[in-house]
Amino acid sequence: AQRVTQPEKLLSVFKGAPVELKCNYSYSGSPELFWYVQYSRQRLQLLLRHISRESIKGFTADLNKGETSFHLKKPFAQEEDSAMYYCALSPSGGSNYKLTFGKGTLLTVNP
Amino acid sequence: GAVVSQHPSRVICKSGTSVKIECRSLDFQATTMFWYRQFPKQSLMLMATSNEGSKATYEQGVEKDKFLINHASLTLSTLTVTSAHPEDSSFYICSAGTSGVSTDTQYFGPGTRLTVL
Repeated sequence: AQRVTQPEKLLSVFKGAPVELKCNYSYSGSPELFWYVQYSRQRLQLLLRHISRESIKGFTADLNKGETSFHLKKPFAQEEDSAMYYCALSPSGGSNYKLTFGKGTLLTVNP
Repeated sequence: GAVVSQHPSRVICKSGTSVKIECRSLDFQATTMFWYRQFPKQSLMLMATSNEGSKATYEQGVEKDKFLINHASLTLSTLTVTSAHPEDSSFYICSAGTSGVSTDTQYFGPGTRLTVL
């Protein structure tokens, strides 16, 4: 069975500080990993996915298969980054395959 | 970008009644839609996968007779909570897949808050 673990429920940093949201997963095959973000009173939206290897809003995430991790990082946090972040796993692809979500981390960036 | 809508956004009903929630992909066709349930301060839990023109696939522990799913067209899936009880009160979220578009991913609806009295 696949599982996604986000060990931190809450994370608080000051503006301009680096931030890292942790995500670990367990899956027997080669999964696809995602980070979704939910801003206050908005719907869940995709932030980035590991196969794209891109930086979105200054965030990056590297898939570490040895450590089965997909931590989300940003070198300088901004107040507008405050949101709920979910790490998610899919067996293959993102559109027609079910996603397993972690419990989420609420990031608060203080001024 | 792809937009998914849900209707209603909020519904309150009496115990024992049935409630229907609609999920629509507004500007794309979705062969697959997913229904999630989210309890307060908890993560999204997949309930079922809805495929257009075929029966939905339910996750373990989800009662298919309780949560009826119909995927009548490539842009509409419905979730009917039958004989709702207070423990069914939750936030229900759908998503739709957009394979073939530049971003192969799922887009989420805004959710429906169900309160059963």
